[in-house]
Amino acid sequence: GAVVSQHPSRVICKSGTSVKIECRSLDFQATTMFWYRQFPKQSLMLMATSNEGSKATYEQGVEKDKFLINHASLTLSTLTVTSAHPEDSSFYICSARDLAGGGTQYFGPGTRLLVL
Amino acid sequence: AQSVTQPDIHITVSEGASLELRCNYSYGATPYLFWYVQSPGQGLQLLLKYFSGDTLVQGIKGFEAEFKRSQSSFNLRKPSVHWSDAAEYFCAVGALSNYQLIWGAGTKLIIKP
Repeated sequence: GAVVSQHPSRVICKSGTSVKIECRSLDFQATTMFWYRQFPKQSLMLMATSNEGSKATYEQGVEKDKFLINHASLTLSTLTVTSAHPEDSSFYICSARDLAGGGTQYFGPGTRLLVL
Repeated sequence: AQSVTQPDIHITVSEGASLELRCNYSYGATPYLFWYVQSPGQGLQLLLKYFSGDTLVQGIKGFEAEFKRSQSSFNLRKPSVHWSDAAEYFCAVGALSNYQLIWGAGTKLIIKP
């Protein structure tokens, strides 16, 4: 089956620093990847849609200058949380859309970010 | 408005008992329906999906779901649950032409020994 990896799985950083999260589709090419944020005991909140070779599309209320997304290849998208603050602490999940699989989204294992 | 409703926030069943998780949707186009499972601290795993054809779809881990257009439902079932099935289950709907998914709020499944 389609596999999506995320790195790191867990990160702790100081307030004011930047954190980069990688999302890779391991066995398929993904022209579209998605970044979600999940708060405790809640469903997923779509942050942005990452398109290979073009700018990401951000959902309303998501600061594009704070959450930088780069989709440089068909198998890699990165999310950089710039100048992180404690309120950015959350569980970040990426997914990749497999066109060969009818557009099904396959999810990474998530990244737990804790900003001190 | 497009929406997905999972009316049960949490469900408790005994190990070995049958399970049905409800999902209702409101969607203007032909829906593509998904069930995902999330174990604590983990990402989401696709259980099954419905695009077209047979309205009863089989998934992994012994799960199945039935698409009922007249009821706008896509309920998830399993005849006998195992303790390892304890997790959060999410229903989602989308369209092939629109790759964004609309998510239900999730149902937490608790298994009693």
